[in-house]
Amino acid sequence: GQQLNQSPQSMFIQEGEDVSMNCTSSSIFNTWLWYKQDPGEGPVLLIALYKAGELTSNGRLTAQFGITRKDSFLNISASIPSDVGIYFCAGRIAQKLVFGQGTRLTINP
Amino acid sequence: NAGVTQTPKFQVLKTGQSMTLQCAQDMNHNSMYWYRQDPGMGLRLIYYSASEGTTDKGEVPNGYNVSRLNKREFSLRLESAAPSQTSVYFCASSGGGGISLDTQYFGPGTRLTVL
Repeated sequence: GQQLNQSPQSMFIQEGEDVSMNCTSSSIFNTWLWYKQDPGEGPVLLIALYKAGELTSNGRLTAQFGITRKDSFLNISASIPSDVGIYFCAGRIAQKLVFGQGTRLTINP
Repeated sequence: NAGVTQTPKFQVLKTGQSMTLQCAQDMNHNSMYWYRQDPGMGLRLIYYSASEGTTDKGEVPNGYNVSRLNKREFSLRLESAAPSQTSVYFCASSGGGGISLDTQYFGPGTRLTVL
C-alpha cells in the first residue's frame, strides 16, 4: 500500500530552537496535511496544503507542499514547551488519508 | 458539543474474547473512520464509512468488522481478539468529500491490550 516516510523519527532540542521535519512518498498526493498528537489524545490538524509549491503558515508553524507533489516540510520556529508531542504528515488519496510514522519532539527547557 | 467520543478508554481482553468499540460524533459529519496506532507505525486505517449505510475496508481490515449504526455512530468489533490486535484505536469523523475531508476530528482513543 501507500507509504509515507517521515523524518526524523525523533528530535531532542532546546527551548527556543527552530525545528524542521519532512515527509516523502513514492506516490503523488494532491493534498498534504500536518497533524499534532499530544500525549494520551487524538491527533489535531495543524496545516492543510492543496497546491504544489504552496507555503502556508499557522502562527510559528510553516509548511510547504513540495513541487513534485511527493514531499512536504514542516518548520516550527522558536520552539516552546507546549510544542512537545508527535507530529504526523498525511497525504490524501480519494476519501482516505495515509499517515507517516510520526516525528516525536522533545524539548529541554 | 462533545465532538468525537469513544468507549471504553481502556480494555484488557484474553485471546479469543470478543468486544465492540463504540464511537459517536455530534458534528453531523457524513464520514467516519477507525484507525489503529502502533509504536513507530503511525496511524493505519482499518475501516471507514463515507456515508450512512456504507462501509469500506482500509489498509488493515483483517480481524475486524464495523457497523455504521446511524449517522452518529460507528462501531468496531473484534470477533476473536489476538495479541497482534493490542494497540490504541482511534475513531475519527469528517464532514464528507472535498476539502472538508481533510479536517478529520479524532476521538481520545481506546487502549486495548490482548493477553
